[in-house]
Amino acid sequence: KAGVTQTPRYLIKTRGQQVTLSCSPISGHRSVSWYQQTPGQGLQFLFEYFSETQRNKGNFPGRFSGRQFSNSRSEMNVSTLELGDSALYLCASSLSSGHSQYFGPGTRLLVL
Amino acid sequence: DQQVKQNSPSLSVQEGRISILNCDYTNSMFDYFLWYKKYPAEGPTFLISISSIKDKNEDGRFTVFLNKSAKHLSLHIVPSQPGDSAVYFCAASAGLQGAQKLVFGQGTRLTINP
Repeated sequence: KAGVTQTPRYLIKTRGQQVTLSCSPISGHRSVSWYQQTPGQGLQFLFEYFSETQRNKGNFPGRFSGRQFSNSRSEMNVSTLELGDSALYLCASSLSSGHSQYFGPGTRLLVL
Repeated sequence: DQQVKQNSPSLSVQEGRISILNCDYTNSMFDYFLWYKKYPAEGPTFLISISSIKDKNEDGRFTVFLNKSAKHLSLHIVPSQPGDSAVYFCAASAGLQGAQKLVFGQGTRLTINP
């Protein structure tokens, strides 16, 4: 089975711009979660989507949003980028609740 | 408020010996715990998990122990191999609805010396 894929792998943006990241889960997995990893804050949960609905949300501002499509693929969007948004953004998929999550390689975002 | 803590930022172990990585948590609602391994420039790789109804789970060289009264879990790797050198994260979640909302520790960098 193919693993979780994320595109793009690297991205450079400037302050004020917006960005959209994409995640394709493992085939058959219906839950997709997003995490942000920074040196200072570590790995932090952003949100989780299941059957096209946001089921859980972390403590991030409204500039961070996401969605899930009927084929379980997910996108996350960050608007009005700030320097502090520079991070590794990780997507993870699982069959459903109560199952372990499998992570993709991440998208490294640099905001200048 | 860090709900999951890995107090050792780094650990160095001789090849063939046992590696013990520790993790403490404060939220008594956590009922599912996982360990992940991460190499640079890659996403975390799932290693092993344990539900709060158990106190031990074993998978090959990896064993996770859970002490609910002490709110402590540990990962044992026996025997340690050079390929085990990586950053290890413990993670926890609470309840079925929150099962996918993992709270991670800060990680422990494990180095296996030949």
